[in-house]
Amino acid sequence: AQSVSQHNHHVILSEAASLELGCNYSYGGTVNLFWYVQYPGQHLQLLLKYFSGDPLVKGIKGFEAEFIKSKFSFNLRKPSVQWSDTAEYFCAVRNDYKLSFGAGTTVTVRA
Amino acid sequence: DAGITQSPRHKVTETGTPVTLRCHQTENHRYMYWYRQDPGHGLRLIHYSYGVKDTDKGEVSDGYSVSRSKTEDFLLTLESATSSQTSVYFCAISESTMGAREQYFGPGTRLTVT
Repeated sequence: AQSVSQHNHHVILSEAASLELGCNYSYGGTVNLFWYVQYPGQHLQLLLKYFSGDPLVKGIKGFEAEFIKSKFSFNLRKPSVQWSDTAEYFCAVRNDYKLSFGAGTTVTVRA
Repeated sequence: DAGITQSPRHKVTETGTPVTLRCHQTENHRYMYWYRQDPGHGLRLIHYSYGVKDTDKGEVSDGYSVSRSKTEDFLLTLESATSSQTSVYFCAISESTMGAREQYFGPGTRLTVT
């Protein structure tokens, strides 16, 4: 079975700082990769996804992610965070019908 | 937002009682999923459905059963609730499993088993 690892459990940073969240997966074949965000008290929403093609994927709200096949990684980045980016972020990998999720990273942005 | 509703949104129940959670979609999507969300574990798949009356187990299916008699409804039943089933439960839907089709999530049900 696939596994998904997110390296950081909790990240605290100030507004305007840059953000990078790590995600590694175990599957070696063709993958579909996703980043979801969950704002406090809300359901999960899709930030971005990778299917094929350009390994640098741009999503909503200024987020981007880079797929590096040789490293089995799909790291999420944002050059300058805002207080409103405070949320929990989940990396996910498609496994047949299903998505396998990482444990999540809580991001707290201080004003 | 995708048309997904979950009911109830909050429930407190006692150990040993049966509980049914409902997921309803208006998107006519084929695939439906039930996850539980717990701190430190992310989302874990309980059961999923790939069509009416077609369901299969996920990674944490013990103590749960599901039914799907109509495209739009997917029910999750805790046969005899235990404190370890205290969690937030999310339903998700997907049009397809091909390509980069994502899953859309409902608002969640917070279940407390006392």
